[in-house]
Amino acid sequence: DTEVTQTPKHLVMGMTNKKSLKCEQHMGHRAMYWYKQKAKKPPELMFVYSYEKLSINESVPSRFSPECPNSSLLNLHLHALQPEDSALYLCASSPAGLPGLRGLAGGTQYFGPGTRLTVL
Amino acid sequence: AQSVTQLDSHVSVSEGTPVLLRCNYSSSYSPSLFWYVQHPNKGLQLLLKYTSAATLVKGINGFEAEFKKSETSFHLTKPSAHMSDAAEYFCVVSDRGQAGTALIFGKGTTLSVSS
Repeated sequence: DTEVTQTPKHLVMGMTNKKSLKCEQHMGHRAMYWYKQKAKKPPELMFVYSYEKLSINESVPSRFSPECPNSSLLNLHLHALQPEDSALYLCASSPAGLPGLRGLAGGTQYFGPGTRLTVL
Repeated sequence: AQSVTQLDSHVSVSEGTPVLLRCNYSSSYSPSLFWYVQHPNKGLQLLLKYTSAATLVKGINGFEAEFKKSETSFHLTKPSAHMSDAAEYFCVVSDRGQAGTALIFGKGTTLSVSS
């Protein structure tokens, strides 16, 4: 089973709201990722967790706050977003490299279906 | 630096005709290469991957790709297009053995299939 699930599928929020995106996988992968994808563009990496520790933050604004409570779950907490943050948010997972190494070691990434976020 | 270039932003074919989506890569190391497909409002699905085993890689739904080191290419092909193949296709490179490198995406190729 190579399934990554994401909830919710769609989310509409105001600029003052606080919401969370959830991602789950049961493939035993120890690396998990958040990507942001705007229309007609490739995904852009936001965060990488390796062995439940944040290993890459691609200079993402602090209004996006990731959390990895265990090896199967990845959350993205949203607060005070801007309309330009509207996008498809994709979660992915992969086998991880050796503990202590930053980033991933080339494991195949499997993507979830995404959450379509609209910020009003 | 690693990079990937998809040579066509849009490819149009008729149902039943061959598909060719072109991708060139640049990598300082022996690369891992992938093709992902994305249908409208969906996530990315892995079509196939190359990781230095056989140079001709077979994927799902009848797609295959050939790794050509001399040409630094990894073109995606399918003998006969189906309407359901209409989607966005991404060629992706990941450097094996180098920590700190995530996936590098091409800009994507939109495949249109007409009846």
